[in-house]
Amino acid sequence: KQEVTQIPAALSVPEGENLVLNCSFTDSAIYNLQWFRQDPGKGLTSLLLIQSSQREQTSGRLNASLDKSSGRSTLYIAASQPGDSATYLCAVRDGGTYKYIFGTGTRLKVLA
Amino acid sequence: DVKVTQSSRYLVKRTGEKVFLECVQDMDHENMFWYRQDPGLGLRLIYFSYDVKMKEKGDIPEGYSVSREKKERFSLILESASTNQTSMYLCASSGDGGGERFGPGTRLTVT
Repeated sequence: KQEVTQIPAALSVPEGENLVLNCSFTDSAIYNLQWFRQDPGKGLTSLLLIQSSQREQTSGRLNASLDKSSGRSTLYIAASQPGDSATYLCAVRDGGTYKYIFGTGTRLKVLA
Repeated sequence: DVKVTQSSRYLVKRTGEKVFLECVQDMDHENMFWYRQDPGLGLRLIYFSYDVKMKEKGDIPEGYSVSREKKERFSLILESASTNQTSMYLCASSGDGGGERFGPGTRLTVT
């Protein structure tokens, strides 16, 4: 059964730092992996989607990588800003299924 | 701008009431999902649908049912609301090869 883990659970950094959020999954036979952002009391906003055949995706200051063989993905945020403060979740869709399995998230606080 | 909409942002219901949560997507997606999100428990899948009139149970279907009569609309029904169903409910949709898009969520309180 697929399990998704995110470490650390919470992270506090000063503004301007580059940072890495980690996501690991137990079964490498995935269809795709998605990173989301969630602000308090709101829905999830899709940040990046990486298909199983891809190694990375970039959007602005965000870069997500995928290493299926090791069961890992990282979300890199460059030059962090207070507006980046949110909870970041990764989710994995297994091959042959429509369902996504979510990690429990990393709560990020960027200090001004 | 493509989107997923949910009928209410906040809802307060009494124990025993029948509750309907509506979700509509305008992306012609085949797949639609209902999750609940609780502190410390993360997102848990209640039901999903991969086609009109098709549905499958997720991880926590007890106390819930769903309806998908049209491709764009997926309804979650609480047959007899209970206090342990107080939660944030999130709807999502996805198409083939694409990722999930989420609605803004409905915070349901059952008193």
